[in-house]
Amino acid sequence: EAQVTQNPRYLITVTGKKLTVTCSQNMNHEYMSWYRQDPGLGLRQIYYSMNVEVTDKGDVPEGYKVSRKEKRNFPLILESPSPNQTSLYFCASSLWGEDQPQHFGDGTRLSIL
Amino acid sequence: GESVGLHLPTLSVQEGDNSIINCAYSNSASDYFIWYKQESGKGPQFIIDIRSNMDKRQGQRVTVLLNKTVKHLSLQIAATQPGDSAVYFCALMTGGGADGLTFGKGTHLIIQP
Repeated sequence: EAQVTQNPRYLITVTGKKLTVTCSQNMNHEYMSWYRQDPGLGLRQIYYSMNVEVTDKGDVPEGYKVSRKEKRNFPLILESPSPNQTSLYFCASSLWGEDQPQHFGDGTRLSIL
Repeated sequence: GESVGLHLPTLSVQEGDNSIINCAYSNSASDYFIWYKQESGKGPQFIIDIRSNMDKRQGQRVTVLLNKTVKHLSLQIAATQPGDSAVYFCALMTGGGADGLTFGKGTHLIIQP
């Protein structure tokens, strides 16, 4: 089954403790992206990657890092999480090129205390 | 920058009636538009898309209308069913999509029995 898989689905942690949210897709998509979803603000892009070893900042990249060492994986790294990063995070992927809809994972809910 | 707005945060309809969800955008260079459905606890799910060289596209029970003159997009759902209850987002892409999607803030569709 074609899917985007995120782990963990839920995480409660404390300020400053490094964490990684993994994202994996099995559709051989070139393009991958991370979004955060907050009430009243909708979905905002954090980082994206057009292919292996190619990443770029989205609209809200502060406090986050990403890497793209393999085509199928695109982890989101919070080196020193803070409470304002408490949010619902979505990974998405698509074929690269014009007019390609993105396919989303089921989300990771992070709570930073 | 781009902005995407929805006319109503909540829309309540009777089961069996048609639903119309609206979206306005600001960037006339936007050239690809997508509607997503997000059910509770899940990620956005692709419903239908439309390119800027079209003004109407139909799927199964859904129709998307695009009016580029007034920068307006709508999603029509025919014979609304309980399973249609969800938050609906419009999203747009500009210039090939390297920057990803810009999302509206969503309309919560509530189905009354």
